[in-house]
Amino acid sequence: GAVVSQHPSWVICKSGTSVKIECRSLDFQATTMFWYRQFPKQSLMLMATSNEGSKATYEQGVEKDKFLINHASLTLSTLTVTSAHPEDSSFYICSASTRGLNTGELFFGEGSRLTVL
Amino acid sequence: AQSVAQPEDQVNVAEGNPLTVKCTYSVSGNPYLFWYVQYPNRGLQFLLKYITGDNLVKGSYGFEAEFNKSQTSFHLKKPSALVSDSALYFCAVRVEGTGRRALTFGSGTRLQVQP
Repeated sequence: GAVVSQHPSWVICKSGTSVKIECRSLDFQATTMFWYRQFPKQSLMLMATSNEGSKATYEQGVEKDKFLINHASLTLSTLTVTSAHPEDSSFYICSASTRGLNTGELFFGEGSRLTVL
Repeated sequence: AQSVAQPEDQVNVAEGNPLTVKCTYSVSGNPYLFWYVQYPNRGLQFLLKYITGDNLVKGSYGFEAEFNKSQTSFHLKKPSALVSDSALYFCAVRVEGTGRRALTFGSGTRLQVQP
């Protein structure tokens, strides 16, 4: 199956700093990537849809200026949590969709656990 | 709007016994249904999907699921549970033809298989 790599797996930062999380599709081109957030013992909540070469589409209630998404190439999308605060601590998971496969499953990265002190 | 319900927070089963993890959905249109498994501090692993055709879908690690349109259900099953099956299971849905490719997930069901 297709492989999605996410980095870093764990990150701890001080309040007020910014953190960048990378999501790469290793063996396929991902025209669309999705960023999810998962709170402890809860489901995955879609934050935004990232399309290569265009602006991300954010879900209602997600702050665009807080969670900056860039999808500069067909194999890389980044999520930057700007001016992080403790309430931003969460498990962030990216997923990718291959070109043209609307019926296909999404492939998920291993997730990034962010802890803001 | 589309939604997925997983009515059980946790399912306990003895090793060797059959297991069922329940999922019902609500969509306008034809659903594409998926099951994923998540181990602690890991991403999601794809198990199986229903797009069209045979209502009984077979997937990875011996899991299968049955699509029931009249009951709007897509329950996950396995004839004989293993301790290593213990994990968090998510049901997800996407609707055909909407152009929306993101998945909507259920709340998850924790499966605990006792030796």
